[in-house]
Amino acid sequence: QVQLQESGPGLVKPSETLSLTCAVSGYSISSGYYWGWIRQPPGKGLEWIGSIYHSGSTYYNPSLKSRVTISVDTSKNQFSLKLSSVTAADTAVYYCARRPGIAVAGYFDYWGQGTLVTVSS
Amino acid sequence: DIQMTQSPSSLSASVGDRVTITCQASQDISNYLNWYQQKPGKAPKLLIYDASNLETGVPSRFSGSGSGTDFTFTISSLQPEDIATYYCQQYDNLPPSFGPGTKVDIK
Repeated sequence: QVQLQESGPGLVKPSETLSLTCAVSGYSISSGYYWGWIRQPPGKGLEWIGSIYHSGSTYYNPSLKSRVTISVDTSKNQFSLKLSSVTAADTAVYYCARRPGIAVAGYFDYWGQGTLVTVSS
Repeated sequence: DIQMTQSPSSLSASVGDRVTITCQASQDISNYLNWYQQKPGKAPKLLIYDASNLETGVPSRFSGSGSGTDFTFTISSLQPEDIATYYCQQYDNLPPSFGPGTKVDIK
């Protein structure tokens, strides 16, 4: 059974960097597929942040590209998100998810439970 | 970016009713359209991929259809456990984008 689990600080100060990690179990990231981050502001809809291939190739949402870095650590079977210069608008539940297949775009079949990150001083 | 719209934004229906949600894309996306169910406090769950394919393990009362710019999601017989918000998602172009959601509850 594939499982994903997000971890990281639940509170980040404005202008600082949000850092989250997604630990994957039940599937080896090095076997393939894309791995993505999606966020959802409280009471609002879903926004794709970006995705990374097991080899390290990345694709980012242009609306966030200047502030986003996604990386992968196959030895730990996890991938990470960094979002810099955060503001209150970045307050959201952050989900990690698996995107099966060889194309970056498509459906996400396994999701983490999500972690709420609040940006506040 | 491709914009996705959904209608209605919310609906109330009785148990056993047929429920239909529509999703419209701002440009032709062929059949590159997925549907997710999200229950309160939970992650989205994939129900339908490529517009009409039922994800493994998803009850057959859920179905999807459409191509181009207009898509339909149907629950043939609404059950109490179907109370959730439903999202469409296009992946024809990057960035993949989601509709605003349709909240379904029981009348």
